Amino acid sequence: DVKVTQSSRYLVKRTGEKVFLECVQDMDHENMFWYRQDPGLGLRLIYFSYDVKMKEKGDIPEGYSVSREKKERFSLILESASTNQTSMYLCASSNDRTSVPYEQYFGPGTRLTVT
Amino acid sequence: AQSVTQLDSQVPVFEEAPVELRCNYSSSVSVYLFWYVQYPNQGLQLLLKYLSGSTLVKGINGFEAEFNKSQTSFHLRKPSVHISDTAEYFCAVSASDSWGKFQFGAGTQVVVTP
Repeated sequence: DVKVTQSSRYLVKRTGEKVFLECVQDMDHENMFWYRQDPGLGLRLIYFSYDVKMKEKGDIPEGYSVSREKKERFSLILESASTNQTSMYLCASSNDRTSVPYEQYFGPGTRLTVT
Repeated sequence: AQSVTQLDSQVPVFEEAPVELRCNYSSSVSVYLFWYVQYPNQGLQLLLKYLSGSTLVKGINGFEAEFNKSQTSFHLRKPSVHISDTAEYFCAVSASDSWGKFQFGAGTQVVVTP
């Protein structure tokens, strides 16, 4: 079974703190994704990566950055946390789009509260 | 670019009754379509997917969906729901020319009552 793990299930941080969310997958997937989930808005893509050290902005990258130094690990960084970044953060991975099927596999999520 | 619309934000249904969750998409290229389920405090789990071939797709837990290209729809159905089907359901589309990026709908909350 594909396993996607996230470093924390719940996290509480203060405004202005630098926050790191870690995601690890064990299936040698090329693609990794970070989403945030808010009620009524579904999942919105923050950043994705299709290879080590490669990254692309998603739909809402402002206030976030990412790092992918190893294939299995994809980190989301909030440089200076703000209250409007309080949300559920979901990590996902998938194999290369030329390898069908390529559904995304999700981690359990990190519920981040910024106070 | 592609987009996904889930037409119902919440669907109340009685146990053992049928349910249909509606999903429409728009895209200028061919697409792959997915339905995911999210139980409380969990990540998303794949229910079923349409990549090619038969337009009627069967998934886990008794769910099925039909791809209708002319109506650009991918509605999800279950003939008889259980209490345990209470969850949020997300439709997603991936364009065939994308880097495996998905566009998700806003979600439909299904509440099953006895």
